Amino acid sequence: EAQVTQNPRYLITVTGKKLTVTCSQNMNHEYMSWYRQDPGLGLRQIYYSMNVEVTDKGDVPEGYKVSRKEKRNFPLILESPSPNQTSLYFCASSLGGKSTDTQYFGPGTRLTVL
Amino acid sequence: AQSVTQLGSHVSVSEGALVLLRCNYSSSVPPYLFWYVQYPNQGLQLLLKYTSAATLVKGINGFEAEFKKSETSFHLTKPSAHMSDAAEYFCAVSDLSGSARQLTFGSGTQLTVLP
Repeated sequence: EAQVTQNPRYLITVTGKKLTVTCSQNMNHEYMSWYRQDPGLGLRQIYYSMNVEVTDKGDVPEGYKVSRKEKRNFPLILESPSPNQTSLYFCASSLGGKSTDTQYFGPGTRLTVL
Repeated sequence: AQSVTQLGSHVSVSEGALVLLRCNYSSSVPPYLFWYVQYPNQGLQLLLKYTSAATLVKGINGFEAEFKKSETSFHLTKPSAHMSDAAEYFCAVSDLSGSARQLTFGSGTQLTVLP
């Protein structure tokens, strides 16, 4: 089954404790991205990747890192999480980098930073 | 820069009634437009998209949307609501560069379907 998986689905952590949210897709997609969803703000893009070893900042990259060492994986790293990073995070992938390509979203990771 | 406004953060309709979710965009040129649906505890799923072909776009689950350039709108409709339509709906816009990087989402509309 074609899908985007994220782990963990739920995470409660404390300020400053490094964490990684994993994202994996099995569709051989070139484009992957991370979004955060906050009430009343819709989805905002954090980082995106056009292909392996090619990543770039989205609209709200501060406090986040990503890497793309393999085509299927695109982990999101919070080196020193802060309470303002409490949010619902989505990973997405599409075949290429065109907006007309259907984007496939993971189920989301709900992060709480205390 | 393009932007999208969804009028009404919450919309309630009775089962069997018309569903109308409003979306207006701001862009210097006609953009690409999308509607996504998010069911509880799930990721977003593409409902339909407008990419400068027919102005009336049909999507999944009986939804459709009409691109109206004069009104800069792309409202989502469904003739008869089902309980299973209860979800959050997002309108999104992309400029003609067509890059997924340029996809901008609205703030969402929560649809409640009353029995």
